[in-house]
Amino acid sequence: DGGITQSPKYLFRKEGQNVTLSCEQNLNHDAMYWYRQDPGQGLRLIYYSQIVNDFQKGDIAEGYSVSREKKESFPLTVTSAQKNPTAFYLCASRPGGAVGNQPQHFGDGTRLSIL
Amino acid sequence: AQSVTQLDSHVSVSEGTPVLLRCNYSSSYSPSLFWYVQHPNKGLQLLLKYTSAATLVKGINGFEAEFKKSETSFHLTKPSAHMSDAAEYFCVVSVLWNNNDMRFGAGTRLTVKP
Repeated sequence: DGGITQSPKYLFRKEGQNVTLSCEQNLNHDAMYWYRQDPGQGLRLIYYSQIVNDFQKGDIAEGYSVSREKKESFPLTVTSAQKNPTAFYLCASRPGGAVGNQPQHFGDGTRLSIL
Repeated sequence: AQSVTQLDSHVSVSEGTPVLLRCNYSSSYSPSLFWYVQHPNKGLQLLLKYTSAATLVKGINGFEAEFKKSETSFHLTKPSAHMSDAAEYFCVVSVLWNNNDMRFGAGTRLTVKP
């Protein structure tokens, strides 16, 4: 079955450490997204990518970095510059092009906590 | 610019009674609207979507929503709640030509009492 796989499910970060969250999709979607979810808030967009080797900042990109070297993969690095990284991180994908009427498909998330 | 307001942060119903989760949207253009459900520690699952076809949209698990342009609303309903419906629900708005401008509501937590 096609879908999105996020790993690990739980991740712990030490002070001053960078950590990388994995997101892989086999839906052949061009667009991929990273969201942060905090309790009582909706999803906030961190980064998105519409095509390989291209990505754009979302609303809360500071302290995060991404790469898009392959269509299937869109890893997110939470850097030490992100002072409040504790959150639930969701990866999503969507068909490419001007297709705002297409829904996003989501992975099952990674929960990141500070040690 | 576009935005979504979910009018209730928490809704509690008894099993077997109707469910109403309210969503108002703001959009400068014809919107696409979606409802997603999220169970604890899981990703979001699409319940239904409105994309300018029929204004009454039927989704999975017995849910439906009605697009009312005059009221800028897209409320989610279900005739009879089941215990398995307990979850967080998100209303989302996007515009047709912009693949990357999706706005999420803050979510409504649905509790179902036995």
